[in-house]
Amino acid sequence: AQSVAQPEDQVNVAEGNPLTVKCTYSVSGNPYLFWYVQYPNRGLQFLLKYITGDNLVKGSYGFEAEFNKSQTSFHLKKPSALVSDSALYFCASRSARQLTFGSGTQLTVLP
Amino acid sequence: ETGVTQTPRHLVMGMTNKKSLKCEQHLGHNAMYWYKQSAKKPLELMFVYSLEERVENNSVPSRFSPECPNSSHLFLHLHTLQPEDSALYLCASSQTSGNYYEQYFGPGTRLTVT
Repeated sequence: AQSVAQPEDQVNVAEGNPLTVKCTYSVSGNPYLFWYVQYPNRGLQFLLKYITGDNLVKGSYGFEAEFNKSQTSFHLKKPSALVSDSALYFCASRSARQLTFGSGTQLTVLP
Repeated sequence: ETGVTQTPRHLVMGMTNKKSLKCEQHLGHNAMYWYKQSAKKPLELMFVYSLEERVENNSVPSRFSPECPNSSHLFLHLHTLQPEDSALYLCASSQTSGNYYEQYFGPGTRLTVT
């Protein structure tokens, strides 16, 4: 069975500081991993994906994610957080024709 | 905008009502999805329509009935709902060829059952 886990329900970071939102995965075969963001009263927006290739994946809004096979992790990162980055973040993995989502991490960037 | 629209954006209905949620995608995708998002719970996949085949989560009650008349339109028919069905209902679409299955989401319908 394919699954992802987001160990933190809530992450707080000061504006201008680097941020990390954690995700670990458990998949058989090659993992296909995704990050989505959800702003209040909106649907999920695609940020980035890892299919194969470079372990550092760059996405929208200055976000990047690092794929680490030995640690089965796919953490989302940004060098300098903005207050507007405050949102709910979801990690997901592809299984069959579907995506399996993590439980979400609420990121709050404090001014 | 993601190219996926949902109407209505907000819906309040009584437990004896019948209503329908509508989703339309303008991306040329061949798969569409309904998700339920409740507070403090993981996203729950309810139904998938892919290449005209329907896949459903067996835990979804029969009071939710999907309809997919073509690859661009998806409906969720609601009848005799319960208060615990109050949630944000999200529609998504994707292209199932290749290896990506990247999904694009609509803004959701906020449903309140009274």
